[in-house]
Amino acid sequence: DGGITQSPKYLFRKEGQNVTLSCEQNLNHDAMYWYRQDPGQGLRLIYYSQIVNDFQKGDIAEGYSVSREKKESFPLTVTSAQKNPTAFYLCASSIGEGARYEQYFGPGTRLTVT
Amino acid sequence: AQSVTQPDIHITVSEGASLELRCNYSYGATPYLFWYVQSPGQGLQLLLKYFSGDTLVQGIKGFEAEFKRSQSSFNLRKPSVHWSDAAEYFCAVASMDSNYQLIWGAGTKLIIKP
Repeated sequence: DGGITQSPKYLFRKEGQNVTLSCEQNLNHDAMYWYRQDPGQGLRLIYYSQIVNDFQKGDIAEGYSVSREKKESFPLTVTSAQKNPTAFYLCASSIGEGARYEQYFGPGTRLTVT
Repeated sequence: AQSVTQPDIHITVSEGASLELRCNYSYGATPYLFWYVQSPGQGLQLLLKYFSGDTLVQGIKGFEAEFKRSQSSFNLRKPSVHWSDAAEYFCAVASMDSNYQLIWGAGTKLIIKP
């Protein structure tokens, strides 16, 4: 079955540590996205990538980094510079720029930093 | 500032009753409008979208939404809800004002009474 996988589902880290969240898709989609979801707020865009080896900052990129070395993979690193990293992180993909609004989402990773 | 408002954090509806979830936006340019649904522990799924044309749009799972430009609204409706509709529903908007990135509402959690 085609889809997006995010691992792990729950992640716990100590403050000051960098952590990388995995996102893999087998939909052959060109575009991929990372969102942050906090209680009582809508999704906020962290980074997005329209093609391999290219990515752009979203609204809240500070303290995060990404890479896009392969079409199917778009890992997100939450660095120690992120002031409030505890949140639910969602990865999404779309066929491409022309269909950027029809996004397919993974199940999410809940990150807790203490 | 551009914003998307879902005024109801929670809505409780009896199974078989009708449903309306509200969404209002504040954008100057003609927007593209979307409703997504997030079932517990899962990613988001696109329910329906409006780009132009007929202001009443049909989506999956028996949902529909109506774009009312004069009220800056895009309310989601279903004539008869099922227990499986219990989920969180997100309205999202994109326009020239947002550089065509999706701006998300905070979500409305739908609770179904048996």
